Amino acid sequence: AQSVTQLDSQVPVFEEAPVELRCNYSSSVSVYLFWYVQYPNQGLQLLLKYLSGSTLVESINGFEAEFNKSQTSFHLRKPSVHISDTAEYFCAVSDWQGQNFVFGPGTRLSVLP
Amino acid sequence: KAGVTQTPRYLIKTRGQQVTLSCSPISGHRSVSWYQQTPGQGLQFLFEYFSETQRNKGNFPGRFSGRQFSNSRSEMNVSTLELGDSALYLCASSLMSGNTGELFFGEGSRLTVL
Repeated sequence: AQSVTQLDSQVPVFEEAPVELRCNYSSSVSVYLFWYVQYPNQGLQLLLKYLSGSTLVESINGFEAEFNKSQTSFHLRKPSVHISDTAEYFCAVSDWQGQNFVFGPGTRLSVLP
Repeated sequence: KAGVTQTPRYLIKTRGQQVTLSCSPISGHRSVSWYQQTPGQGLQFLFEYFSETQRNKGNFPGRFSGRQFSNSRSEMNVSTLELGDSALYLCASSLMSGNTGELFFGEGSRLTVL
């Protein structure tokens, strides 16, 4: 069975500063990794995903995440955040068949002016 | 194309009552999953339906049930409501069960049990 740890429940950061949201996973099989974002009063939206290939994946709004198999991590980073990035971010893992999705507890990112 | 639609968006019930929530997936999507989201427990998987069959089930009591219709629309039912059932219930659809892509989420149904 898979599990996901997001050590930081809340991350406050000033606008235009860099941010890293940490995600570690545990699994006995190969996995696929995802970051989802939830804006207030909305459902979750896929931000980016790692299935195979390059270990660095990017989203269209400037976020990137790097799959590190040896450290079983998939940390999310953005070099310069905006107020509009304020949201809750969920790391998720599925097995190599795309089944058994498991979500982390979430990290609430608050971007301060 | 239209996204995942969940109804109702908000509802208030009292303990002991039952509730039915509805989810219309994106057209062409055959897999529907349900999640319960609470501040204390985060996102917890309830069940997944594909082609009218329950394929996976999370660790919830039998009071939580669901079904899927031939048009892929899904309903979930919670009977004998308890205070702890207050949560945001999220539905997610995908093209097929166990695909390697993305789950598309609705905006959720927020249930308050008094």
